[in-house]
Amino acid sequence: DAKTTQPNSMESNEEEPVHLPCNHSTISGTDYIHWYRQLPSQGPEYVIHGLTSNVNNRMASLAIAEDRKSSTLILHRATLRDAAVYYCILRANFGNEKLTFGTGTRLTIIP
Amino acid sequence: GAGVSQSPSNKVTEKGKDVELRCDPISGHTALYWYRQRLGQGLEFLIYFQGNSAPDKSGLPSDRFSAERTGESVSTLTIQRTQQEDSAVYLCASSLGFGDIQYFGPGTRLTVT
Repeated sequence: DAKTTQPNSMESNEEEPVHLPCNHSTISGTDYIHWYRQLPSQGPEYVIHGLTSNVNNRMASLAIAEDRKSSTLILHRATLRDAAVYYCILRANFGNEKLTFGTGTRLTIIP
Repeated sequence: GAGVSQSPSNKVTEKGKDVELRCDPISGHTALYWYRQRLGQGLEFLIYFQGNSAPDKSGLPSDRFSAERTGESVSTLTIQRTQQEDSAVYLCASSLGFGDIQYFGPGTRLTVT
């Protein structure tokens, strides 16, 4: 799998938007960009994924650069419950069932 | 509906003993995965099952580790002759099918003393 690069940690104030960046300069044309998050003492949970176009769901938005070499996970209004480690993962469309997790970004929400 | 469950939630064992960790996937999910997470680190892929078959065992750290799945349902990860470096949280995930979203269980925290 191609590698991703994320900041080790970020802080944000409660009720403000959060933009979590991810660089993936070696992404291939068939790689999907997945985001998972891991709340304290829990297993990871799926957040969102996309291929080329920006994506929105009830949890977050995913903005993908035109050249697909970077993406940004957007939490529109952070709450204390959003404090977690956020993982940006590339996953090939075919032939690869595993998720390769890096160290992610630890997001701290300041009340 | 019920999510992925794992048992036990915590396991403390003495070095050299064998342990079995169990995963119950979401009903109807054909794919099942095992990961390991050492303290303060990211997830490390161990093995996955498509049905009852394991096409990719490349992540198993040593021959002390084995896993099986029966009835396209429950899976067991077995660690023989445990070592202190095996201490970690072992996470299981399942997905509906090929390439689908993975749903994780709460993990089993294994401590080898």
